[in-house]
Amino acid sequence: DAKTTQPPSMDCAEGRAANLPCNHSTISGNEYVYWYRQIHSQGPQYIIHGLKNNETNEMASLIITEDRKSSTLILPHATLRDTAVYYCIVRGSQGNLIFGKGTKLSVKP
Amino acid sequence: DTEVTQTPKHLVMGMTNKKSLKCEQHMGHRAMYWYKQKAKKPPELMFVYSYEKLSINESVPSRFSPECPNSSLLNLHLHALQPEDSALYLCASSLTHGQGPPQHFGDGTRLSIL
Repeated sequence: DAKTTQPPSMDCAEGRAANLPCNHSTISGNEYVYWYRQIHSQGPQYIIHGLKNNETNEMASLIITEDRKSSTLILPHATLRDTAVYYCIVRGSQGNLIFGKGTKLSVKP
Repeated sequence: DTEVTQTPKHLVMGMTNKKSLKCEQHMGHRAMYWYKQKAKKPPELMFVYSYEKLSINESVPSRFSPECPNSSLLNLHLHALQPEDSALYLCASSLTHGQGPPQHFGDGTRLSIL
């Protein structure tokens, strides 16, 4: 089973920041948090991952709480092309990616 | 664009056919993966290859047969599939298997079984 919990859907206005939450209360000390997104009919696209510190790249920022039990993916200026299903993933015991149901983000004009 | 290339993009086959799906990466990754994704569901892991050796088989039926000829190639051989095997088959690769390096996915092969 997936080790994360996400809201099933969210809306965001174009040009505004999209903040996608994720709970991972059972995460272990050496487990990373990964974020992927999947646009219809494409493979999952890697966005960002982190262990303890906040991370930023050209796509997004990842904010991990100090107790590591939750995180937030931030898309700073959402566009219509950011409409997708976003998956927050903590790997399983064998190091596998176990996808949950994700959050369907709809960016609206 | 993805750096993991999967062919063919679409495949229609009968239940008695034998076909193969191909996956290729040239990023020097030593772990490669097959996933299956049914419509409106998240991807599910099928197989993991680490350094060209099968390390994880998630109880996949024997009508799916993976093969890793070298560090850049991953095949999935299909034989006597059932209609319920119709799905998007995704390949992924990562530098190594385990915590840390992220997996990078191809765009998949959409398989339809008649």
